[in-house]
Amino acid sequence: SQTIHQWPATLVQPVGSPLSLECTVEGTSNPNLYWYRQAAGRGLQLLFYSVGIGQISSEVPQNLSASRPQDRQFILSSKKLLLSDSGFYLCAWSVQRLNYGYTFGSGTRLTVV
Amino acid sequence: GQQLNQSPQSMFIQEGEDVSMNCTSSSIFNTWLWYKQDPGEGPVLLIALYKAGELTSNGRLTAQFGITRKDSFLNISASIPSDVGIYFCAGPYNTDKLIFGTGTRLQVFP
Repeated sequence: SQTIHQWPATLVQPVGSPLSLECTVEGTSNPNLYWYRQAAGRGLQLLFYSVGIGQISSEVPQNLSASRPQDRQFILSSKKLLLSDSGFYLCAWSVQRLNYGYTFGSGTRLTVV
Repeated sequence: GQQLNQSPQSMFIQEGEDVSMNCTSSSIFNTWLWYKQDPGEGPVLLIALYKAGELTSNGRLTAQFGITRKDSFLNISASIPSDVGIYFCAGPYNTDKLIFGTGTRLQVFP
């Protein structure tokens, strides 16, 4: 069966520090991969998605970047965190056919202080 | 651009009550998906709908694919405390990504 792993679960980082969040999927090949951010009590904002290794689509220009170094690995990064980067970050995967929806990871709560 | 509007934005109900929420789109969808997000967790798929007029149940949850293909409805019968969370509708925006609704926050009081 397919599983998605996202870590860490919580993170407190100072302003100006770098960020690296990792997401991996097991049990499937060539998944679509997604990074979302959710502000407290708010909706889901798509940040990046990838339909293949090295292919990254950016939805919102901001202080973050994403990379897909391997088929089932998706990394969200920042060189210098801002206070506004705080939020709940969710990774998700899907098969190529979106009719089955996404499967989300358990999320990373990032607090920038 | 395309967007999904959910209503109500939030609901505060008593345990045992039934719940109804809906999702409307400015354009036609071929698939409607309903997710639930527990506090502090990622959203989980509840129900998927693939045909206009389709009515699908999952336990106490029932969802309907609107006839116009521009809306969908989710009902929860006899609510319990663990129904608390945010409910999102979603549909394929294009071949690569979904579009999510604005969410309905449900609070259940004993």
